[in-house]
Amino acid sequence: RKEVEQDPGPFNVPEGATVAFNCTYSNSASQSFFWYRQDCRKEPKLLMSVYSSGNEDGRFTAQLNRASQYISLLIRDSKLSDSATYLCVVNPGRDFNKFYFGSGTKLNVKP
Amino acid sequence: DAGVIQSPRHEVTEMGQEVTLRCKPISGHDYLFWYRQTMMRGLELLIYFNNNVPIDDSGMPEDRFSAKMPNASFSTLKIQPSEPRDSAGYFCASSTGGRREKLFFGSGTQLSVL
Repeated sequence: RKEVEQDPGPFNVPEGATVAFNCTYSNSASQSFFWYRQDCRKEPKLLMSVYSSGNEDGRFTAQLNRASQYISLLIRDSKLSDSATYLCVVNPGRDFNKFYFGSGTKLNVKP
Repeated sequence: DAGVIQSPRHEVTEMGQEVTLRCKPISGHDYLFWYRQTMMRGLELLIYFNNNVPIDDSGMPEDRFSAKMPNASFSTLKIQPSEPRDSAGYFCASSTGGRREKLFFGSGTQLSVL
């Protein structure tokens, strides 16, 4: 079983829509969680960390559900510029420096 | 501040040739990581260093791959001899380390082995 699993999508949504992605992780002892954004053939860039209490950054909201072992990313009022692949990243805690990446969820925001 | 710097951005080579990828981490970051990304397997950790010492190379696919970090500001990933199946994106990342520290990536090298 993979450490981190994501729906690859693509999610095709119109501008202004709200879209949500989930990501599941296998290790219940995982310590830290992140969402990264990656544009085609570019490097992954940190979008936001995910905290136990949930956190928000502008139009983006991240949630952690430890009981069900998933994290989510909600994007409100989607913009064309949000089109990218969103990577879920988990640090399982056995080795704080081994980060496990999901395969990514592709988002296409259309006019 | 300069981010993680990688070179070259693109590399096209023929099967059997040696390929060397280079990385300069963010100053002050003690951890350096090499990742490979393919459509089939996503981002895979190849190796990481702490204070220039290789800590975990279990992701290095085979002996054709080697990585070095001679000092805190420079690392190389070498493939010798290269094969078409090595074609992928190779990303270097650095971090200050620790449970909640984030990874910062370089712009990557897109490698094509013909």
